[in-house]
Amino acid sequence: DIQMTQSPSSLSASVGDRVTITCRASQSISSYLNWYQQKPGKAPKLLIYAASSLQSGVPSRFSGSGSGTDFTLTISSLQPEDFATYYCQQSYSTQVTFGQGTKLEIK
Amino acid sequence: QVQLQQWGAGLLKPSETLSLTCAVYGGSFSGYYWSWIRQPPGKGLEWIGEINHSGSTNYNPSLKSRVTISVDTSKNQFSLKLSSVTAADTAVYYCARTDGYFLGVGYMDVWGKGTTVTVSS
Repeated sequence: DIQMTQSPSSLSASVGDRVTITCRASQSISSYLNWYQQKPGKAPKLLIYAASSLQSGVPSRFSGSGSGTDFTLTISSLQPEDFATYYCQQSYSTQVTFGQGTKLEIK
Repeated sequence: QVQLQQWGAGLLKPSETLSLTCAVYGGSFSGYYWSWIRQPPGKGLEWIGEINHSGSTNYNPSLKSRVTISVDTSKNQFSLKLSSVTAADTAVYYCARTDGYFLGVGYMDVWGKGTTVTVSS
């Protein structure tokens, strides 16, 4: 299995802050990396696919970058609705795996 | 706009078989993979497996011996069966559409609302 490790596991930030979440794969996954946002009691929502492509309808303050083993999700200016848990997911292998999640909390 | 509606038994006893179904409304059924993902209470997401309209499947190796995902193209539905459940299978189970394989990357862009399944004696 390809292991996905996110850092940090939790993060406190303020509205207007720039935030970066990192995801590292245990082997190269090219650009086959997606990011999701999940709010309590809700299904995950796709934000970014193929490492850097913004899903339709997702605000442009969200961006993704990286390839190989190291990836980042950046929120350029945090909004109140962005406080949630974020997951990365690889689809390089037919055995899909998720990162453990990063909980973004209000400072 | 594609919507996924899922249903199934929410309370099971140990050793029973979990059975969930997900119906696809408002969009094409072919050309995609259809996935199941679960989330234990307070924990992260775990991919269970996927199927396409032709019945081709991929499963999580850690669950493969107990999982069957099937498809009914006449009803635009796909189903999950997980046998011999234990308390460790207690989770919210989600169905999702997986797109993007034409790009080489699979991403889950449409999700069901989730079904809470509790395993308890």
